[in-house]
Amino acid sequence: DIQMTQSPSSLSAFVGDRVTITCRASQGIANYLAWFQQKPGKAPKSLISAASTLQSGVPSKFSGSGSGTDFSLTISSLQPEDFATYYCQQYYSYPPTFGQGTKVEIK
Amino acid sequence: QVQLVQSGTDVKKPGASVKLSCQASGYIFTSYYMHWVRQAPGQGLEWMGVINPSAGSTRYAQKFQGRVTLTRDTSTSTVYMDLSSLTSDDTAVYYCARDDTTVRDQENYYFDYWGQGTLVTVSS
Repeated sequence: DIQMTQSPSSLSAFVGDRVTITCRASQGIANYLAWFQQKPGKAPKSLISAASTLQSGVPSKFSGSGSGTDFSLTISSLQPEDFATYYCQQYYSYPPTFGQGTKVEIK
Repeated sequence: QVQLVQSGTDVKKPGASVKLSCQASGYIFTSYYMHWVRQAPGQGLEWMGVINPSAGSTRYAQKFQGRVTLTRDTSTSTVYMDLSSLTSDDTAVYYCARDDTTVRDQENYYFDYWGQGTLVTVSS
């Protein structure tokens, strides 16, 4: 199985900060990489597919980049509603696997 | 709009089985694969299996082979997940999630819509 490793595991940031989360795959996955946002007690929400394609309705402050083994999710200006846990997921190879999550907290 | 509505919280004893449901609306049920993903308390996400609602064919993660069964009822647009021989390690929130690819193609394993989740607690 492909291992997905996110860093950092958690971070604290101010409202208005630019935040970047990285995700590394244990082998190349082309651009078959998704990002999800999960708030406490809620289901994950799809943000980005194909490494950089925003899902419908997702604000443009979110952006994704990368290919191969290294990927990143950037939030350009953190807002209170963005404080959540973010997960990456590869769907290049069966079975699909997720990163361990990055918790974004208020500083 | 696409909606996946799951059954409510359940409590089971070790060794028992649990059957969860996920009712879809807002799209043609038989057109899209449906997956199940679980999340243990404070933990990450773990894929369990997928069903083709049109053909009824299934594929399960190796970890759950022999313990999980996915079925569907096309008359009610509902997918069911049956998990047997429960242990405390199965305490988790279970999500159904739709694949973004139609059944005319192979599963993509990208999940565009998720149910609200069902908490299953396994305790004696």
